[in-house]
Amino acid sequence: GEDVEQSLFLSVREGDSSVINCTYTDSSSTYLYWYKQEPGAGLQLLTYIFSNMDMKQDQRLTVLLNKKDKHLSLRIADTQTGDSAIYFCAESRSDYKLSFGAGTTVTVRA
Amino acid sequence: TAGITQAPTSQILAAGRSMTLRCTQDMRHNAMYWYRQDLGLGLRLIHYSNTAGTTGKGEVPDGYSVSRANTDDFPLTLASAVPSQTSVYFCASSETASNNSPLHFGNGTRLTVT
Repeated sequence: GEDVEQSLFLSVREGDSSVINCTYTDSSSTYLYWYKQEPGAGLQLLTYIFSNMDMKQDQRLTVLLNKKDKHLSLRIADTQTGDSAIYFCAESRSDYKLSFGAGTTVTVRA
Repeated sequence: TAGITQAPTSQILAAGRSMTLRCTQDMRHNAMYWYRQDLGLGLRLIHYSNTAGTTGKGEVPDGYSVSRANTDDFPLTLASAVPSQTSVYFCASSETASNNSPLHFGNGTRLTVT
């Protein structure tokens, strides 16, 4: 959706960190989500952050939220080949529906 | 494994024909959704149902209809398919229609309208 923007492609070397960025427009969003889509599959929830938090860490994943700039990022530490996928950022709207970005295709190269 | 089952996995459909995409969940989730995924556009909401017996229109509802006769099933019907409906369709569910209730997705139906 046009309300959520993210870059379309990211190439990263195995073992490096990946950073996927996202901007959103609805300042009233209470939850922001990251979903992962592997080839031929549906989306799986990776992690989410509540809008009153600045950061959330979950094993190799770190989510940073800058609410003032409406900017969300997902950092994957020690990127592995299994991390190759499409990553979607999504914001919750006032009608409780999610608005998704176009997705960032992450390619991990050896 | 509990989750969402979509059928068929893929389909080629002639323009003007009708088709129903099936979606069943066994998690007893109240809310269900239909999205279409198109390259460069991400996921767009077609229709949703907050609870059995109710439905609502999403961002791109034209040309599609849904019904929610019970909790588990949420079929999506294309009455007269057009080539612009070529897409990958995902059914999703959430425990409730609220912001802190994550979506669970099926594996999708790839539809080609010729």
